[in-house]
Amino acid sequence: AQTVTQSQPEMSVQEAETVTLSCTYDTSESDYYLFWYKQPPSRQMILVIRQEAYKQQNATENRFSVNFQKAAKSFSLKISDSQLGDAAMYFCAYPLAGGTSYGKLTFGQGTILTVHP
Amino acid sequence: SQTIHQWPATLVQPVGSPLSLECTVEGTSNPNLYWYRQAAGRGLQLLFYSVGIGQISSEVPQNLSASRPQDRQFILSSKKLLLSDSGFYLCAWSPRSSSTDTQYFGPGTRLTVL
Repeated sequence: AQTVTQSQPEMSVQEAETVTLSCTYDTSESDYYLFWYKQPPSRQMILVIRQEAYKQQNATENRFSVNFQKAAKSFSLKISDSQLGDAAMYFCAYPLAGGTSYGKLTFGQGTILTVHP
Repeated sequence: SQTIHQWPATLVQPVGSPLSLECTVEGTSNPNLYWYRQAAGRGLQLLFYSVGIGQISSEVPQNLSASRPQDRQFILSSKKLLLSDSGFYLCAWSPRSSSTDTQYFGPGTRLTVL
């Protein structure tokens, strides 16, 4: 079974500092996308960043970047210059494989990020 | 631009009562549509997905059903709610022709069954 594992139930960071959230996944596919979503207290899921597996360059979106290690099946999220508004639950997600998957996503259990002023 | 709506935002229902949650998408055609449930603030569980009008696939056997009467409308229903149906329900959409599998989520409905 394909799984997504987030081993850090909770993380904390001081405002303006950097934090890294971990994610590992299991797949036999060679080309796929990986996602990080943010769920703030409002509970709406917001796409943070997306990585295409066949691209060696790590994706970056402003203060958010990923460290994608394909061989290790690791996909961590780095948040630089953390802001109070970054406090949220973060989910790593991976699409189920197969031609009829229709983009069904498997989510990790989430990491609660606390940002201290 | 595309937007996704869900209503109601919050719902409190007694055990055994019926349920209808609605999701609509604007600004796109032929989307893939998804219903997820999130219990206790943790991981999301895919309940149903749809690739077209009247086409529904169920991921988990349960007390719920889904329907897609129109291209951009997705409804989650139950004839008789159980306590275990409580949770946060999220609707999502993705472009039919997308190769990235990116999903975009609605604001969610918080359901409490008493």
